Amino acid sequence: ILNVEQSPQSLHVQEGDSTNFTCSFPSSNFYALHWYRWETAKSPEALFVMTLNGDEKKKGRISATLNTKEGYSYLYIKGSQPEDSATYLCAFISTDKLIFGTGTRLQVFP
Amino acid sequence: GAGVSQSPRYKVAKRGQDVALRCDPISGHVSLFWYQQALGQGPEFLTYFQNEAQLDKSGLPSDRFFAERPEGSVSTLKIQRTQQEDSAVYLCASSLRSPNYNEQFFGPGTRLTVL
Repeated sequence: ILNVEQSPQSLHVQEGDSTNFTCSFPSSNFYALHWYRWETAKSPEALFVMTLNGDEKKKGRISATLNTKEGYSYLYIKGSQPEDSATYLCAFISTDKLIFGTGTRLQVFP
Repeated sequence: GAGVSQSPRYKVAKRGQDVALRCDPISGHVSLFWYQQALGQGPEFLTYFQNEAQLDKSGLPSDRFFAERPEGSVSTLKIQRTQQEDSAVYLCASSLRSPNYNEQFFGPGTRLTVL
């Protein structure tokens, strides 16, 4: 059974704080790791598709790193803003199957 | 439209009723996925199509669930004899080719409530 775990489950931070969360996944049969951002009442939106060990990707204030050997990815948000409030999902790709974690729910207070 | 669309957005069914959920992927997208999301959980994989071929249906929870994509574009997820445990949000996603390298684009989901 392939297990993808995210921590923490939820996070409350003040505007301006930087934050990070973790996605843990099996280190074997790795194809890709996706990060998605899911705002309430909207569809999940892709943030990053990561395929190589050591990958680091950045989009504005959000960045992610990938370690396929030990099976984890970190997502960082620098200077959180209220509009960053959402659930952040990671998904592990193995043999064309996409397995989601349960997400980290981030709430940023002004 | 530019994105993935799903219909209906909300469906209330009586237990035992059959339902059909529709997904219109982005034009030209080869891969199509169906997911089931229960309250408080991440989306769980149901089935995967590459064009019209259903390559993986290992996530379908029972033989009451059936999905098709006969012409390699629109897909329908059918649930026969619905049960209360089928209540969930059903998400559809498409990607240009393989999700190994391509992000998935999600539809808004269909929220199914079985009474």
